[in-house]
Amino acid sequence: DAGVIQSPRHEVTEMGQEVTLRCKPISGHNSLFWYRQTMMRGLELLIYFNNNVPIDDSGMPEDRFSAKMPNASFSTLKIQPSEPRDSAVYFCASSPGTGSNTGELFFGEGSRLTVL
Amino acid sequence: SQQGEEDPQALSIQEGENATMNCSYKTSINNLQWYRQNSGRGLVHLILIRSNEREKHSGRLRVTLDTSKKSSSLLITASRAADTASYFCAPLEGAQKLVFGQGTRLTINP
Repeated sequence: DAGVIQSPRHEVTEMGQEVTLRCKPISGHNSLFWYRQTMMRGLELLIYFNNNVPIDDSGMPEDRFSAKMPNASFSTLKIQPSEPRDSAVYFCASSPGTGSNTGELFFGEGSRLTVL
Repeated sequence: SQQGEEDPQALSIQEGENATMNCSYKTSINNLQWYRQNSGRGLVHLILIRSNEREKHSGRLRVTLDTSKKSSSLLITASRAADTASYFCAPLEGAQKLVFGQGTRLTINP
């Protein structure tokens, strides 16, 4: 299995630009999670989906952030407009979900975002 | 949901020695999971221990769970340079989401 696939791996952009991060979960997994990792704040859960439906978005920092999961094999995290404080590594993770359910997460390699 | 608190924040040992990391949490759990993160990589699931288990082994890893003290420990025996990484514990309650603490940064010196 290919694992969780994230793109891009690295993104450098200027303040005010729109950023879209993409994630393909492991086939058959029903749950998808977006995390953000910084030195200061550690690993923060932003939002998670079950069966493509957003369940908890309480970690989304502000309205500039939005996430979608149009189908079981694709999710996006969008930041518009981006700010320097959004610089971080963004991880996507998937889980077998309710069918399993140990809650074990499978992480992608992350998208490193730098906003200048 | 709750997060685990790892202790110590950083640990540096010599290759071949054993490394012990601890985790505390606050409320009842279904299971507790340990993850490893190598520099610049995503987290990798290491081992899961259920609330009705007290000890579990996987290769050089040994995990214990004390639900009365709401604590867990991860022991890595005969450490190797490749074990250098950050280690996170994640207690799972009824809800599905895992919340991670700051982790323990483990350095294995040759």
